[in-house]
Amino acid sequence: DVKVTQSSRYLVKRTGEKVFLECVQDMDHENMFWYRQDPGLGLRLIYFSYDVKMKEKGDIPEGYSVSREKKERFSLILESASTNQTSMYLCASSSFQGSIQYFGAGTRLSVL
Amino acid sequence: EDKVVQSPLSLVVHEGDTVTLNCSYEVTNFRSLLWYKQEKKAPTFLFMLTSSGIEKKSGRLSSILDKKELSSILNITATQTGDSAIYLCAVLTFSGAGSYQLTFGKGTKLSVIP
Repeated sequence: DVKVTQSSRYLVKRTGEKVFLECVQDMDHENMFWYRQDPGLGLRLIYFSYDVKMKEKGDIPEGYSVSREKKERFSLILESASTNQTSMYLCASSSFQGSIQYFGAGTRLSVL
Repeated sequence: EDKVVQSPLSLVVHEGDTVTLNCSYEVTNFRSLLWYKQEKKAPTFLFMLTSSGIEKKSGRLSSILDKKELSSILNITATQTGDSAIYLCAVLTFSGAGSYQLTFGKGTKLSVIP
């Protein structure tokens, strides 16, 4: 079974803090993705990565950065958290380009 | 801009009913359409459809793609309370830069009442 693990289920941070969301997959997948999910807006792609140290912007990258130093780990970084970044963050991975994406359980982030 | 539209946005049915969820899309470089079920946490994969007219089935769930109409339906027969979830439709497209991208609809929230 594919396992995508996100380090925190719930997180509460203050405005201006630097926030790290971690995602680890155990299936040697090439591709990893970060989405955010908001009511009425669905899932939107923030960043994705097709290889170690490689990243590409998704639809809403502003205010976020990512890091992929190892194949199994993909981190989402909020450099200076803002209240409009309160959301559910979902990480996903897939074995090759165009294949099925498998999701982690999500991190519900609240920025106060 | 790629667009995926699901309807209805929410649906309440009684146990035993049959439901049909709709997904339509306007995208460039279509590769496949995926359905996911999301309960309290991670979306879980249901179906991937690439060819038109071929039904995929898993138990009481089935889905079919119509590339001419740019749409797909997800059917659930004899619904149970455990089917209550948000059903997400997503379209996989191939970008000119050599990468693939998944665009999601807003989801259909299904509530099955006993």
